[in-house]
Amino acid sequence: DADVTQTPRNRITKTGKRIMLECSQTKGHDRMYWYRQDPGLGLRLIYYSFDVKDINKGEISDGYSVSRQAQAKFSLSLESAIPNQTALYFCATSLTSGGTDTQYFGPGTRLTVL
Amino acid sequence: RKEVEQDPGPFNVPEGATVAFNCTYSNSASQSFFWYRQDCRKEPKLLMSVYSSGNEDGRFTAQLNRASQYISLLIRDSKLSDSATYLCVVMTGGFKTIFGAGTRLFVKA
Repeated sequence: DADVTQTPRNRITKTGKRIMLECSQTKGHDRMYWYRQDPGLGLRLIYYSFDVKDINKGEISDGYSVSRQAQAKFSLSLESAIPNQTALYFCATSLTSGGTDTQYFGPGTRLTVL
Repeated sequence: RKEVEQDPGPFNVPEGATVAFNCTYSNSASQSFFWYRQDCRKEPKLLMSVYSSGNEDGRFTAQLNRASQYISLLIRDSKLSDSATYLCVVMTGGFKTIFGAGTRLFVKA
């Protein structure tokens, strides 16, 4: 079984709809992240959370919100989806440790906003 | 200027060739460095961390040059299965992680 799972894997929606992407992990990691990936731009950080009570904006948080329901669950919401939010979304986790921050990624959610 | 820059490629090489990728970073306070591999439409996966003294893992060698602010990845004896996108990753301040846009490698028979 995968350590980091994302649902749904693919989603097509219309402009203005509310969408939630979910991420779960069984790695026991405390840190969780949401990224989006666009061709030629690499991965860009949307939000990150260092524990259940800690939520922080990343590089491109406008138009997104998150919820850390438990240490193992981190959800990303698009309150009113727009076409330029069409992208591949990845959740990642890492463990707080001395000096390193290897991140482990989920399989991704491909979101298309029409 | 992007914080982390990579040559997007693609690099097209024959099996058995040696290929090298470079990555430059702009923040001199960057502390940790990694190479990730990403197959088409899949998630990135850690290939190797990059240490100041340089490090090797089988056919892969990573180097860090802090003075010139770049890291490199050398792949020897390329295999068809090495075809992928290689992402340079730089971490600053304990949590800020910046991904490069990636370098595409195609290894052909």
